[in-house]
Amino acid sequence: EAQVTQNPRYLITVTGKKLTVTCSQNMNHEYMSWYRQDPGLGLRQIYYSMNVEVTDKGDVPEGYKVSRKEKRNFPLILESPSPNQTSLYFCASSGTSGGTDTQYFGPGTRLTVL
Amino acid sequence: LAKTTQPISMDSYEGQEVNITCSHNNIATNDYITWYQQFPSQGPRFIIQGYKTKVTNEVASLFIPADRKSSTLSLPRVSLSDTAVYYCLVGEEGGGKLIFGQGTELSVKP
Repeated sequence: EAQVTQNPRYLITVTGKKLTVTCSQNMNHEYMSWYRQDPGLGLRQIYYSMNVEVTDKGDVPEGYKVSRKEKRNFPLILESPSPNQTSLYFCASSGTSGGTDTQYFGPGTRLTVL
Repeated sequence: LAKTTQPISMDSYEGQEVNITCSHNNIATNDYITWYQQFPSQGPRFIIQGYKTKVTNEVASLFIPADRKSSTLSLPRVSLSDTAVYYCLVGEEGGGKLIFGQGTELSVKP
């Protein structure tokens, strides 16, 4: 089954404790992207990747890191999480372009930073 | 990147046609318009995409006027299961940076 998976689905952590949220897709997509969703603010793009080893900032990249060492995986790294990063996070992938190709979203990761 | 503006919320009743309009005044020549639907606690999913005029699929229609500064998602005969948030996205062909709007929360009542 074609899908985007994220782990963990729920995470409660404390300020400053490094964490990684994994994202994996099995559709051989070149494009992958991370979003955060907060009440009243819709979906905001954090980082995106056009292909392996090619990443770029989205609208709200501060406090986040990403890497794209292999095509299927695109982990989101929070080196020193803070309470304002408490949010619902979505990973997505699409064929070659986020702007025109259908994006397939993962189920989401709900993060709480205390 | 084109910024999009949508109504925050809309109410409808079962069986009615619902039209949600998205404004994107600074859309560029290479930009496409895509609509996504999101149910609570789920990731968004693709509904429809267009460049100009009208596009129709099994679930919706998308109307885009000649100047392309707005687009209207049309949902025919909505049911309770169409209650969701609908996002309009304007994205560049071959592009990666995307800006979603705030979304329109559609509530369908019996």
